[in-house]
Amino acid sequence: QKEVEQDPGPLSVPEGAIVSLNCTYSNSAFQYFMWYRQYSRKGPELLMYTYSSGNKEDGRFTAQVDKSSKYISLFIRDSQPSDSATYLCAMIKTGNQFYFGTGTSLTVIP
Amino acid sequence: NAGVTQTPKFQVLKTGQSMTLQCAQDMNHNSMYWYRQDPGMGLRLIYYSASEGTTDKGEVPNGYNVSRLNKREFSLRLESAAPSQTSVYFCATHRTGTDQPQHFGDGTRLSIL
Repeated sequence: QKEVEQDPGPLSVPEGAIVSLNCTYSNSAFQYFMWYRQYSRKGPELLMYTYSSGNKEDGRFTAQVDKSSKYISLFIRDSQPSDSATYLCAMIKTGNQFYFGTGTSLTVIP
Repeated sequence: NAGVTQTPKFQVLKTGQSMTLQCAQDMNHNSMYWYRQDPGMGLRLIYYSASEGTTDKGEVPNGYNVSRLNKREFSLRLESAAPSQTSVYFCATHRTGTDQPQHFGDGTRLSIL
């Protein structure tokens, strides 16, 4: 069993919809959580970074962490065609050990 | 602009040929990483370097070698390329000993025929 699980999708939504992307993890040692956005033929770029359980908001994006359930989510409000990308969750135990989900492909249809 | 630069962006090799992928960063990070990304497999760590002069194997090191030339540069070498090494390769950097995120380059797309 992988330490980080992410539904690969693909996910297709109409413009303006609310998108929910999710990851689960198995090890309570994970302390820091990230969401990366990856456009086609580009490298992952950091979108959200959070530590504590609860919500962190940045514009149309909200990252949610539930450490008791070992579950993290990324919500995108008022989705735009420019949000079409692959979204990767990532998390750190301590120091230099990073763990990634396999990514969810999102398409926002105009 | 600060960032992670990978060269080349694309390369096609024949089986058995050798090649070195280059990565350079100006973020002043001590740690550097090489990943490969394949459909359905996500990012898999090949090698990483926590500081100049040190390297460690990751999840999939077989068939690869690395060199941490200095603080800025970390290269990945394929000595005898195989079709199974067809992939997109990403270099990433990180501030050693912190829980800060990694920063990625835009990748090298490598095809081996």
